[in-house]
Amino acid sequence: NAGVMQNPRHLVRRRGQEARLRCSPMKGHSHVYWYRQLPEEGLKFMVYLQKENIIDESGMPKERFSAEFPKEGPSILRIQQVVRGDSAAYFCASSPLSSEVTGELFFGEGSRLTVL
Amino acid sequence: RKEVEQDPGPFNVPEGATVAFNCTYSNSASQSFFWYRQDCRKEPKLLMSVYSSGNEDGRFTAQLNRASQYISLLIRDSKLSDSATYLCVVFRNTGGFKTIFGAGTRLFVKA
Repeated sequence: NAGVMQNPRHLVRRRGQEARLRCSPMKGHSHVYWYRQLPEEGLKFMVYLQKENIIDESGMPKERFSAEFPKEGPSILRIQQVVRGDSAAYFCASSPLSSEVTGELFFGEGSRLTVL
Repeated sequence: RKEVEQDPGPFNVPEGATVAFNCTYSNSASQSFFWYRQDCRKEPKLLMSVYSSGNEDGRFTAQLNRASQYISLLIRDSKLSDSATYLCVVFRNTGGFKTIFGAGTRLFVKA
């Protein structure tokens, strides 16, 4: 099964620690998107990446958050010095090149971050 | 104002009922439209794309009105398994490729 793979599925961190979330897109997909979903809220766009390129990071908080999609390996969303408000589900989605026209996304199962 | 707005929920309906969800979008440059379904604590999954001519998939019918910037989803003969959150989704490739999600409308179908 070559679906979008996210890990870890669940992550617990204490305030001030770092969280790293990984996403491997579907085979053949060159676009990766990260979304955040707070409890009882909708999905909020964070960042859109292609290999070695950040295309749109307009949804990323200005501080503590960063994302990358290296030439080799998964995309990584990094949150430094986590605070309780970072507790959320972080979903990664991927799309093939053709989705530049259609916009359809394929989601991973999400990584649930809990900050104590 | 949010770029994609949906009916506030939740909708509580009995099995067999017909239920309609509405959605409006504010950016006229939007070019593709979708309904996604999200079950509790799961990832969103594509339910159906929405075309200007309207499209139907079994009990589900989606409509798009570009002039009014309005999208709808109709579910006929509701099943218990239809209980989920329905997300209206809009895609545009101006100002960056961007897929925007509405906040979702929660549906509860009761026996």
